[in-house]
Amino acid sequence: SQQGEEDPQALSIQEGENATMNCSYKTSINNLQWYRQNSGRGLVHLILIRSNEREKHSGRLRVTLDTSKKSSSLLITASRAADTASYFCATASGGSYIPTFGRGTSLIVHP
Amino acid sequence: KAGVTQTPRYLIKTRGQQVTLSCSPISGHRSVSWYQQTPGQGLQFLFEYFSETQRNKGNFPGRFSGRQFSNSRSEMNVSTLELGDSALYLCASSRLTGETQYFGPGTRLLVL
Repeated sequence: SQQGEEDPQALSIQEGENATMNCSYKTSINNLQWYRQNSGRGLVHLILIRSNEREKHSGRLRVTLDTSKKSSSLLITASRAADTASYFCATASGGSYIPTFGRGTSLIVHP
Repeated sequence: KAGVTQTPRYLIKTRGQQVTLSCSPISGHRSVSWYQQTPGQGLQFLFEYFSETQRNKGNFPGRFSGRQFSNSRSEMNVSTLELGDSALYLCASSRLTGETQYFGPGTRLLVL
C-alpha cells in the first residue's frame, strides 16, 4: 500500500510558470525523497529531505517538509518543457530504509 | 561513471513461461533493489540484495526470486508468468544499503 500520496494527480502549465506538487503521508518518516520519471523510463533522484529538515533547494527545485502536517511539497520554478514527467515522493519510515512510493503527479509543461 | 543498466529492455512472454531479467549496478555500488511498476499498483518494492544476500523482501509471491553475484550484478526471475506480471521492472543500485538509489531504465515485460 502507498505511504505517500501525491496531489494533484495531473498538472498542466505553461513554460515559465511555477509547478507545485504535494505529498501527504500517514506515519512518521525518517526521510522523504522526490523522484522524476520520464515517460515510463527509470526514475531520477531529485532531492532527499530528512525528518529534521524543513526545506532544501537544488537548482530550480525547492522541497519543503512539514512533519506536523505529514506533508511535503516540491516546487519547480520557471518550468521548462523538459520538466514534463511524472514526479514521485517516496518515504522511509520506522526501522526501514526501503522507500515506499506514491502514485505520482503527472506534470505537462507546454512550450 | 556508467549508470545502472538493465537487459533486456523489452520482453514478450506467454503465460506459464519464466523470465530472467538482469541488472548491472553502478561501479562500486553493492546494493541492488528491484521494483515492479504497474498502472494499477504503482511502484512496489520486490527485494533488495547486498553482498550476495537478500536483505529485504516485499510482499510478492514466491514466483518472484532474485540473486546477486560477487560482482554485484543481479538477476531476478519470475516463474509461471501470469498476465498480471506485465509491468515495468526497475532495478536500482546504491553504494550501501539505505543510501540514495539510482535507477536503471527498466525492463518492460508483456505477458500474453
